Amino acid sequence: SAVISQKPSRDICQRGTSLTIQCQVDSQVTMMFWYRQQPGQSLTLIATANQGSEATYESGFVIDKFPISRPNLTFSTLTVSNMSPEDSSIYLCSVFGGTDTQYFGPGTRLTVL
Amino acid sequence: QKEVEQNSGPLSVPEGAIASLNCTYSDRGSQSFFWYRQYSGKSPELIMSIYSNGDKEDGRFTAQLNKASQYVSLLIRDSQPSDSATYLCAVRDKGGGNKLTFGTGTQLKVEL
Repeated sequence: SAVISQKPSRDICQRGTSLTIQCQVDSQVTMMFWYRQQPGQSLTLIATANQGSEATYESGFVIDKFPISRPNLTFSTLTVSNMSPEDSSIYLCSVFGGTDTQYFGPGTRLTVL
Repeated sequence: QKEVEQNSGPLSVPEGAIASLNCTYSDRGSQSFFWYRQYSGKSPELIMSIYSNGDKEDGRFTAQLNKASQYVSLLIRDSQPSDSATYLCAVRDKGGGNKLTFGTGTQLKVEL
């Protein structure tokens, strides 16, 4: 299994500002995934972060808005830039741990005013 | 666009009854199927995975897969109030590179 921690657990931010979310895993993993879950909605993949290469973004998500860093095999950050109220969501970090099981971090609950 | 569809519910069942949750998917190339449970305010946790047609049982949970009909379901026997949560269906395709596509989830309420 994989144990994932995220910081911060929640934040309230003003529009136009940026927030960086950290994700730490207790084991080395090749790929880390960032998801967004808007209120009352399901999970939507933002991007896949591989160590040593640029993140791969899903349709509708761009690097300028959601820059990602992946400095090593246990850590990643997602920045939500120039925030608007529409960015209010839960942001989840996720990894695959062995046996085809995808584990999720506890999430970062973001509210943009 | 690949889609995974679920009835949003809420699905209400009495305690001790069987809860049946359904999911359809659009991509015939999908190969791996997962059910996640998400309690309010918490992150999703995996409860079942299934890869072959037929049934797979794990305790009170049974996952059913029919690739011809592009249909996957989850049965929860002897439902308990603690089963009250949102159940997310997720699908991974052959070329997905471990990417999961999630349905919108079905809210289950188990009533005393």
